[in-house]
Amino acid sequence: KQEVTQIPAALSVPEGENLVLNCSFTDSAIYNLQWFRQDPGKGLTSLLLIQSSQREQTSGRLNASLDKSSGRSTLYIAASQPGDSATYLCAVIKDSGGSNYKLTFGKGTLLTVNP
Amino acid sequence: NAGVMQNPRHLVRRRGQEARLRCSPMKGHSHVYWYRQLPEEGLKFMVYLQKENIIDESGMPKERFSAEFPKEGPSILRIQQVVRGDSAAYFCASSPQSGVETQYFGPGTRLLVL
Repeated sequence: KQEVTQIPAALSVPEGENLVLNCSFTDSAIYNLQWFRQDPGKGLTSLLLIQSSQREQTSGRLNASLDKSSGRSTLYIAASQPGDSATYLCAVIKDSGGSNYKLTFGKGTLLTVNP
Repeated sequence: NAGVMQNPRHLVRRRGQEARLRCSPMKGHSHVYWYRQLPEEGLKFMVYLQKENIIDESGMPKERFSAEFPKEGPSILRIQQVVRGDSAAYFCASSPQSGVETQYFGPGTRLLVL
C-alpha cells in the first residue's frame, strides 16, 4: 500500500527566505508525482507535475525534483513571499498498468511566510 | 472554460439525514474522482468514475455511501443516514483522459453533520 509522508508538517519562515519541502513515498512504482497548493477553505491548485521519467520541473520560483528510486521528492521555493502561505500537498499516482490514476496524498506542509 | 464546479459549497445535515454532493466536471472531461478530507487528515481517495461507470470504489465506505456519474448531468456523491464522522470536505476532480493530464479540482463541499 502506497504511503506518502511530508516533512515538516508545518514551517514558518521570514519573507525572502529560500525553503525546501520534503515528500517521501513507499512504493517507487509511480506514474507521476504532483505538488498542489491548498488555501484555507479552498480547493487544490496544481503547481507542478513530474512524470516518473523526469527528474525535475520548474515553474517560476518553484522547482520540484524527483528521485523515484529512493522514493523522494522536494519542492524548492525561492525568495518566499507572504502570498506563498498555504498548505502544500504532495501526491503520487501509482503505475498500476491500468487506467485508474487515483492520487495518494501526503498530509501536507503548512507554510507560513512572515512579512 | 469553466473549472470544476461543486455544489453546494457548504452543507449542514442532522444525523440520519441524507447528503447529496454534486460535481460538474470541466467541459470535455469524462473522468471524475472523489476525495474526502477529514479534519487533521490528508485527502483520501474515495471513488473513480467514468461516464455511467464506476471504475474503482475501493476508497468508499461499504455502507451508506454511493456515487454515480450519469450520461447527462453532474456526478453525485450520496451519503445516506449521515453520522458526525461524515463531517469533512469532499472534493471532486476531473480529467479529460485519466493520467494524461493533471486532475483539476473543484472547490469542495464542506459537510457538517450536527
